[in-house]
Amino acid sequence: GEDVEQSLFLSVREGDSSVINCTYTDSSSTYLYWYKQEPGAGLQLLTYIFSNMDMKQDQRLTVLLNKKDKHLSLRIADTQTGDSAIYFCALRSGGSYIPTFGRGTSLIVHP
Amino acid sequence: DAGVTQSPTHLIKTRGQQVTLRCSPKSGHDTVSWYQQALGQGPQFIFQYYEEEERQRGNFPDRFSGHQFPNYSSELNVNALLLGDSALYLCASSSTATDTQYFGPGTRLTVL
Repeated sequence: GEDVEQSLFLSVREGDSSVINCTYTDSSSTYLYWYKQEPGAGLQLLTYIFSNMDMKQDQRLTVLLNKKDKHLSLRIADTQTGDSAIYFCALRSGGSYIPTFGRGTSLIVHP
Repeated sequence: DAGVTQSPTHLIKTRGQQVTLRCSPKSGHDTVSWYQQALGQGPQFIFQYYEEEERQRGNFPDRFSGHQFPNYSSELNVNALLLGDSALYLCASSSTATDTQYFGPGTRLTVL
């Protein structure tokens, strides 16, 4: 099955950019998602990208996809304390209804 | 437009008991998936319901069962609760048009 790897922690200073990385094994992944989870809450869909795209920008969020290296990243510009949360990468192939999730990266934003 | 809703928010049960969790999908969605999220882990897929039938199932024992109603809402039932069933249970809904999943706030189950 699909393996999705994320680093567990990232600490940044308020106002800096954050880059959260995700690597995966299944080259047939067609839909790639980023979700945000605040403490005690459900997962909020932030953005997603199709495998035929290299980049997608949505306000402060930029998603980059390197299919050759099977690497997905989420860049958050001008990171704020409200961005502190766990960020999950999730991938789904076109033949599946179900995404596979990474373990999540805990983003800590300090003043 | 109401998003995905789940009830109850929190639940405390003892070992051996049975529990039922409920989910109402986002308006326009017809598919409901259930996940278990243990502390410090990503969501683990339990099963998905579409057209009132279980369409796909993850690696969970038969103690976990579900149902989908004609209005697309869904229930997750867990029998013979174990301490290890303590987790956040997440419901996600999607439409067949995109299969992009939107999550509810979750139900925190504690088994003592």
